[in-house]
Amino acid sequence: GAVVSQHPSWVICKSGTSVKIECRSLDFQATTMFWYRQFPKQSLMLMATSNEGSKATYEQGVEKDKFLINHASLTLSTLTVTSAHPEDSSFYICSARDMQKPWGATYNEQFFGPGTRLTVL
Amino acid sequence: GEDVEQSLFLSVREGDSSVINCTYTDSSSTYLYWYKQEPGAGLQLLTYIFSNMDMKQDQRLTVLLNKKDKHLSLRIADTQTGDSAIYFCAETGGMDGGYQKVTFGTGTKLQVIP
Repeated sequence: GAVVSQHPSWVICKSGTSVKIECRSLDFQATTMFWYRQFPKQSLMLMATSNEGSKATYEQGVEKDKFLINHASLTLSTLTVTSAHPEDSSFYICSARDMQKPWGATYNEQFFGPGTRLTVL
Repeated sequence: GEDVEQSLFLSVREGDSSVINCTYTDSSSTYLYWYKQEPGAGLQLLTYIFSNMDMKQDQRLTVLLNKKDKHLSLRIADTQTGDSAIYFCAETGGMDGGYQKVTFGTGTKLQVIP
């Protein structure tokens, strides 16, 4: 159980185009999903926290008009990279929390998707 | 903000023990985690420890926590080639805006030599 999928797994696009990445919780409901960005040989950097039915909360330094996040249902969150540029090339990873487990009752486990590699030419 | 540091690389021979170290700065950490990331894949939670514990053992994995020194370690006994991956230390502290953020370390690449 607790599987998170991402689609696509790898995308190549031209500079100036927009790319949408999907994150789905397959066998559980997730009120909260997180989007991370990982540069080569570097740690995961939290970009934003996405709560179902409300606006995402972005981390400092992350442009919300550049990285549009939508969490329209309890099993799907999307990240759209608008007007992508080569510097946006990265590995984007999402994670999700199981809404059946409240914050304080467990070890705050997040289930991670396999990641999406974005290459902008 | 919170900071989590790890050494970048560790190489061990198959069958030996591996010890991956991590230091953190957040004194309000509640849970500390070890994640494994294989090439091109997402993160897999290996184990976690609550901040009021000193040690946790799970099969070949032993986690040691020194809260005074803010030092966390992961020991892998009888390391196998399948253990080759990047290992991330992570911590989560108090609530921030209604939810708990997880801060990840820089990752340690473990290379197991057959």
